[in-house]
Amino acid sequence: NAGVTQTPKFQVLKTGQSMTLQCAQDMNHEYMSWYRQDPGMGLRLIHYSVGAGITDQGEVPNGYNVSRSTTEDFPLRLLSAAPSQTSVYFCASSKMTGAGANVLTFGAGSRLTVL
Amino acid sequence: GNSVTQMEGPVTLSEEAFLTINCTYTATGYPSLFWYVQYPGEGLQLLLKATKADDKGSNKGFEATYRKETTSFHLEKGSVQVSDSAVYFCALSDNTNAGKSTFGDGTTLTVKP
Repeated sequence: NAGVTQTPKFQVLKTGQSMTLQCAQDMNHEYMSWYRQDPGMGLRLIHYSVGAGITDQGEVPNGYNVSRSTTEDFPLRLLSAAPSQTSVYFCASSKMTGAGANVLTFGAGSRLTVL
Repeated sequence: GNSVTQMEGPVTLSEEAFLTINCTYTATGYPSLFWYVQYPGEGLQLLLKATKADDKGSNKGFEATYRKETTSFHLEKGSVQVSDSAVYFCALSDNTNAGKSTFGDGTTLTVKP
């Protein structure tokens, strides 16, 4: 019963480097999303997807790319890391009930530091 | 756009004290409302939810009532324990936005023995 699995848990990058944060869920959830958590700013939505092949931007998409080739996986790519991207990143998924009560299941988080 | 405002923290209480964390929201339509809890070093997990006006969500001794007239969803617990120390997030899910959720800034609760 894995739920939402994120890797890596910790990562240190240098400015300008690229990397991919992995997210996988085994609950057959249609909806997947990426949030970043910064002190005093709650969770801010980066990108989301309502199904394989469909992605859209959230509140803070600049500097990040996503793709959704399968229902299970939703990787987040940083093409050229900047210190402003130092944060804790959470992947979350949910069933789309159509009634709005879309309870999110979160991964354990990935702490990224950009030097 | 949608927004959620939580009372500013942090909040420090003694064990067995009464807890209230205020939450108000702005949204179009009729959103669903949630409280999530984040324990140290972990991801968020659902604490309770309410999907329509006057619904009361409850779990682990925590309660919150969906008040449409005051656009509020305040979290309460009658007697907190040290194990309740965590960060609490109020959130809404807009029925028109395919499940996108908007979160408050979070309130850190510390309960001292």
